[in-house]
Amino acid sequence: GAGVSQSPSNKVTEKGKDVELRCDPISGHTALYWYRQSLGQGLEFLIYFQGNSAPDKSGLPSDRFSAERTGGSVSTLTIQRTQQEDSAVYLCASSGSPGLFSYNEQFFGPGTRLTVL
Amino acid sequence: AQKITQTQPGMFVQEKEAVTLDCTYDTSDPSYGLFWYKQPSSGEMIFLIYQGSYDQQNATEGRYSLNFQKARKSANLVISASQLGDSAMYFCAMRETQGAQKLVFGQGTRLTINP
Repeated sequence: GAGVSQSPSNKVTEKGKDVELRCDPISGHTALYWYRQSLGQGLEFLIYFQGNSAPDKSGLPSDRFSAERTGGSVSTLTIQRTQQEDSAVYLCASSGSPGLFSYNEQFFGPGTRLTVL
Repeated sequence: AQKITQTQPGMFVQEKEAVTLDCTYDTSDPSYGLFWYKQPSSGEMIFLIYQGSYDQQNATEGRYSLNFQKARKSANLVISASQLGDSAMYFCAMRETQGAQKLVFGQGTRLTINP
């Protein structure tokens, strides 16, 4: 497909369980971002991958959150011991190489709606 | 730190009217980019328009234009001839020019177009 894809589209889990969310970016895009959107709120940055560089994890809210990106393509966001406050839509975005004056928009996937009971 | 403020939680407009969605920003960076995204009820984020801080002219994309007032640090989105399909959440965002170049988002404005 041409766009960013995410799976699953919906995930319901019980408090304390671990969950994995997957993002497949646009082919050839070197940058990948994870954002979180709580109900009625704007998007909150979580983590950023750029090529083979060390990820920017500055937005991760706790050590229960982690992410990896294998082979510079697919990324998995893992939330361990989920809490009710983790309930949100998790959005993935990708873009081309960053440049100071480049247009370089981020293309978003459809998101994964996570509900923690 | 960068900050985006959208002061209109909700807007109601009659179809075919023009509408302005407000956005103000705060940054100490001399170079930055400003974006508007549309989020319909389906949840996907749709890119609408981009304005670079050094751009001399206001950005336009079809029915969308950006009223960029750098001195006032505002980047309002103008939608001309509104349509029912324009009903959605609209987010203003600023992109860092250093590091991750992540987007910093405002809280959004819910636009409802009435027939």
